[in-house]
Amino acid sequence: AQSVAQPEDQVNVAEGNPLTVKCTYSVSGNPYLFWYVQYPNRGLQFLLKYITGDNLVKGSYGFEAEFNKSQTSFHLKKPSALVSDSALYFCAVRDESNYQLIWGAGTKLIIKP
Amino acid sequence: GAVVSQHPSRVICKSGTSVKIECRSLDFQATTMFWYRQFPKQSLMLMATSNEGSKATYEQGVEKDKFLINHASLTLSTLTVTSAHPEDSSFYICSVQPRGESTYEQYFGPGTRLTVT
Repeated sequence: AQSVAQPEDQVNVAEGNPLTVKCTYSVSGNPYLFWYVQYPNRGLQFLLKYITGDNLVKGSYGFEAEFNKSQTSFHLKKPSALVSDSALYFCAVRDESNYQLIWGAGTKLIIKP
Repeated sequence: GAVVSQHPSRVICKSGTSVKIECRSLDFQATTMFWYRQFPKQSLMLMATSNEGSKATYEQGVEKDKFLINHASLTLSTLTVTSAHPEDSSFYICSVQPRGESTYEQYFGPGTRLTVT
């Protein structure tokens, strides 16, 4: 069965420090992996995706994520956190044959000044 | 990225009435649209997949007669919550899957906050 796990409900980081939001997945075929961000009372904004190619993908707002096939992970990272990065982050996966996304539970990221 | 609108952004209705939520893709054709429901501090729950020109596919546990979905064109899908009850109060979000094999991500509307009194 396909699934996504975001093991941390909340991540706290001091402004200027690097941040990591974890995601692991399980999918039967080749995974298509996505990160989205949600600000309060808003829809989701697309950050980045991995489809194929380089394992390190770069996205919006300075975020990047590394696809690790052996560990079935797709952790979201940023070298230097901003207070404005505080939001809810969702990891999602689908396989190449299906448009339907499988969602993680979300991780609340809090960046403290 | 693609632009998706939802209308209304916020609606309050009385129990027993029906509410229609519109989802529009403004700058591309969307063969497939998805309707999600999100409870506070929780992840998205897929309600149904809406395909242009055909009946929507509902997820298990979602009442198709209560949540009516109409995907009338390649740019518009509507979700109607019929005979609304307070437990239907939630944040409803649509997303679209652009037509074309080169686009893999879904694009989301800003959401509709429904409150049933």
